[in-house]
Amino acid sequence: EPEVTQTPSHQVTQMGQEVILRCVPISNHLYFYWYRQILGQKVEFLVSFYNNEISEKSEIFDDQFSVERPDGSNFTLKIRSTKLEDSAMYFCASTGGYTDTQYFGPGTRLTVL
Amino acid sequence: SQQGEEDPQALSIQEGENATMNCSYKTSINNLQWYRQNSGRGLVHLILIRSNEREKHSGRLRVTLDTSKKSSSLLITASRAADTASYFCATLGGGNKLTFGTGTQLKVEL
Repeated sequence: EPEVTQTPSHQVTQMGQEVILRCVPISNHLYFYWYRQILGQKVEFLVSFYNNEISEKSEIFDDQFSVERPDGSNFTLKIRSTKLEDSAMYFCASTGGYTDTQYFGPGTRLTVL
Repeated sequence: SQQGEEDPQALSIQEGENATMNCSYKTSINNLQWYRQNSGRGLVHLILIRSNEREKHSGRLRVTLDTSKKSSSLLITASRAADTASYFCATLGGGNKLTFGTGTQLKVEL
């Protein structure tokens, strides 16, 4: 069964450093998302991406964040200058139709020191 | 209650019993999805119910949706120890994003 994959599973970085989180969505899906979950809190939407552009973003997704689909398979989230409060589990998701099931990857745990 | 708030926050039952979790939301929705999360792991999709549906089944799962009350319930029948996890409801509204609830932590004891 096709699944969303994410790398790395765990990323440790120093405050102020740039990080890139990578995702490979399900191959025939058209809509891509990033969510995050701070430890002990609920999952929060960051950004959605369709047709090579951002379709919606939350207040969390400020100028420090960017997304890219550099090729036909990868979908990346970049944080330019990480802060302590960026420490969280970051989930990628994809769906074939925007009202259909969103399938989530296993997540990348980002720890900012 | 906030958008997608689950109740109870924690539930402990014996193996073989049924577990019922409730979710309330505030705004109109396109669909409501339930997910399971094992401790610190990824989100596994369980079931999706659309706003024009009232009940849906999948294996041991039964989901209901009452749009007039803006609420949904997830019933897991004949629970197993492997069902121990956190369960989240997530609503898809007018936008292109899921809004998650706070989750119910289910513990199924042998």
